[in-house]
Amino acid sequence: SQQGEEDPQALSIQEGENATMNCSYKTSINNLQWYRQNSGRGLVHLILIRSNEREKHSGRLRVTLDTSKKSSSLLITASRAADTASYFCATDAISGANSKLTFGKGITLSVRP
Amino acid sequence: NAGVMQNPRHLVRRRGQEARLRCSPMKGHSHVYWYRQLPEEGLKFMVYLQKENIIDESGMPKERFSAEFPKEGPSILRIQQVVRGDSAAYFCASSRSQGLAKNIQYFGAGTRLSVL
Repeated sequence: SQQGEEDPQALSIQEGENATMNCSYKTSINNLQWYRQNSGRGLVHLILIRSNEREKHSGRLRVTLDTSKKSSSLLITASRAADTASYFCATDAISGANSKLTFGKGITLSVRP
Repeated sequence: NAGVMQNPRHLVRRRGQEARLRCSPMKGHSHVYWYRQLPEEGLKFMVYLQKENIIDESGMPKERFSAEFPKEGPSILRIQQVVRGDSAAYFCASSRSQGLAKNIQYFGAGTRLSVL
């Protein structure tokens, strides 16, 4: 089964609203990352949060990590139509130094203008 | 500074043919990863390579698939005798070699393989 599982699977909001996406994982991790993928394109790295961090900000992005619940959330504030994309969480598990990322199935975000 | 370059972007093969996918990592990156993405799915890890070495191939099918990252030139993912189930988007990523920077992977635009 997937290490990272996001919810909801799809999210549709109005421009200007905030979007909150959640990710749960199963094993202990070194860090958790969020990526964005526009349709038909590669993944773009958004933000990395280490296992000893609880919250991190980058521009309009805010990521939280709760290692006791094995969950993370990605908040996009003041959303724009250009934020429309699929969002994936990826975990880097504690199993060696190989940095193998395990991705969830992703959340499809649609921001209506 | 060019990003991760993958080619071709689209590849069409008939069943039984060979597919070769190429990936040039970002400048200064010595780690390469290959992932496969099926429609409506997340990325699935296939293989992790450093120059001339396969570090982790736990996600690679045992047969027909191989990968290399030679001392000179791009990394190659090779699929022999392709079948329809190999149709997918194949993404390459690269990362730096040290510390936390190694954990951030930069992705190419992918190669979309269609097997007829």
